[in-house]
Amino acid sequence: ESVLTQSPGTLSLSPGERATLSCRASQSVRSNYLAWYQQKPGQAPRLLISGASSRAPGIPDRFSGSGSGTDFTLTISRLEPEDFAAYYCQQYGSSLTFGGGTKVEIK
Amino acid sequence: QEQLQESGPGLVKPSETLSLTCTVSGGSVSSGSYYWSWIRQPPGKGLEWIGYIYFSRNTNYNPSLKSRVTISVDTSKNQFSLKLSSVTAADTAVYYCARGRHLGRAVGASDLWGQGALVTVSS
Repeated sequence: ESVLTQSPGTLSLSPGERATLSCRASQSVRSNYLAWYQQKPGQAPRLLISGASSRAPGIPDRFSGSGSGTDFTLTISRLEPEDFAAYYCQQYGSSLTFGGGTKVEIK
Repeated sequence: QEQLQESGPGLVKPSETLSLTCTVSGGSVSSGSYYWSWIRQPPGKGLEWIGYIYFSRNTNYNPSLKSRVTISVDTSKNQFSLKLSSVTAADTAVYYCARGRHLGRAVGASDLWGQGALVTVSS
């Protein structure tokens, strides 16, 4: 079973800054089946990225995903106030597993 | 517009069985294009995949929960369900149902989620 490790645990940034979130897998993710989700307090997660780099419908282009194999990155180019939230990566190449999450908070 | 809605008891006693149902509206749980998942989130913690079902009968469960989990589909009611037996306080969580696209030899990311249902395990 692939274990996903997200870093950092918390990212403190200001609106307008660039956010870089990391997700590392304990084994290569098959076919780069790696997704990113955003979750705000009291809400269900929302799919942002699938296939490591494909934005879901309606997701702004300031969100981008990259990476392959075991190392993946979610980048938010310029943080908007509504982007401060928790972010989770998930691999779906071998069953399903989630990373522990990164919280992006206002500095 | 397709929606998912969880329902079930919000309080379950230790050692009993937790039962939740997810109602699919605007779509069909029988669709071969999708798989149907349960995911949970303990208060203040991260997401944990519980299991999923596709083609109405094929299942895949998290190995850490497999001995206690059953996921099934009721096509007549357009619902899928979760049963988790022998619960303890550690099973207290918000339980989400979700849909993902079935990709043939693999499953896709979950693109539609229910709002979640809090289940507390306590006597």
